[in-house]
Amino acid sequence: AQSVTQLDSQVPVFEEAPVELRCNYSSSVSVYLFWYVQYPNQGLQLLLKYLSGSTLVKGINGFEAEFNKSQTSFHLRKPSVHISDTAEYFCAVSDRNTGTASKLTFGTGTRLQVTL
Amino acid sequence: ETGVTQTPRHLVMGMTNKKSLKCEQHLGHNAMYWYKQSAKKPLELMFVYSLEERVENNSVPSRFSPECPNSSHLFLHLHTLQPEDSALYLCASSQEGGFEAFFGQGTRLTVV
Repeated sequence: AQSVTQLDSQVPVFEEAPVELRCNYSSSVSVYLFWYVQYPNQGLQLLLKYLSGSTLVKGINGFEAEFNKSQTSFHLRKPSVHISDTAEYFCAVSDRNTGTASKLTFGTGTRLQVTL
Repeated sequence: ETGVTQTPRHLVMGMTNKKSLKCEQHLGHNAMYWYKQSAKKPLELMFVYSLEERVENNSVPSRFSPECPNSSHLFLHLHTLQPEDSALYLCASSQEGGFEAFFGQGTRLTVV
C-alpha cells in the first residue's frame, strides 16, 4: 500500500516569485510519481510524471519536479509563477508492479494562491 | 467534443431521489474510473472498469451503482443518498496499462 503526504494545504506567493510544493510518499514497493493540477471548476490535468531515468522531470506550464528516492520526495517547483497558476495541485503515486493509471493514490492537495 | 465529458455539472437531490451521473470519453480509451473528491480529503477511487468489466470496487456503499455499457460511456446511478455523499464526482479514462488518466470536469453533487 502507498500513501502520499502534502504537508502544505495552502501556499501563498507573489507573482513572479519562485515556488516549491512539497510531496512525500510512503510505499513498500517502487512507485511511479505524478503531479496533477486542478483549476477552479475543472477536472484534474497531468502536469508531469516520473517513470524512470533522469530524476529531474519537466512538465507543462514551466513546472518541474525532482524525484529523491532517499528522501521519498517528489517536490514540484516553478522559478517564476503567474496569476494563472492559481489552482489546486495534487501529488500521486502508483505501484510500479501494476503501474497503471487505475492504481493512483493521491495526496490531499496544495492550494497555490498567486497574488500581485 | 474531445476529452472526457461529464453531465450534469451540478446536481441537487433529496435523500429519497434516484439520479444518474453520465460520463463520456472521446479518447479511444478502454478503462474508465469514478473518483469522489471531498473537501480536505484525498481523491477516493470508487470504481474501475477495464474493457467494460468492473475490475475494482473500493468498498463503496450499494447506494452507488456503476454501469459501463461500452468503452466510451460510464454511468453512476444514485439512490437513497446521504448528506455526507455530497462531493465532486470525477470521471476519468485511460488506456489499459497506460500511465496517464484524463479527467472530466466533474459533477458537483449536493444531497439535501
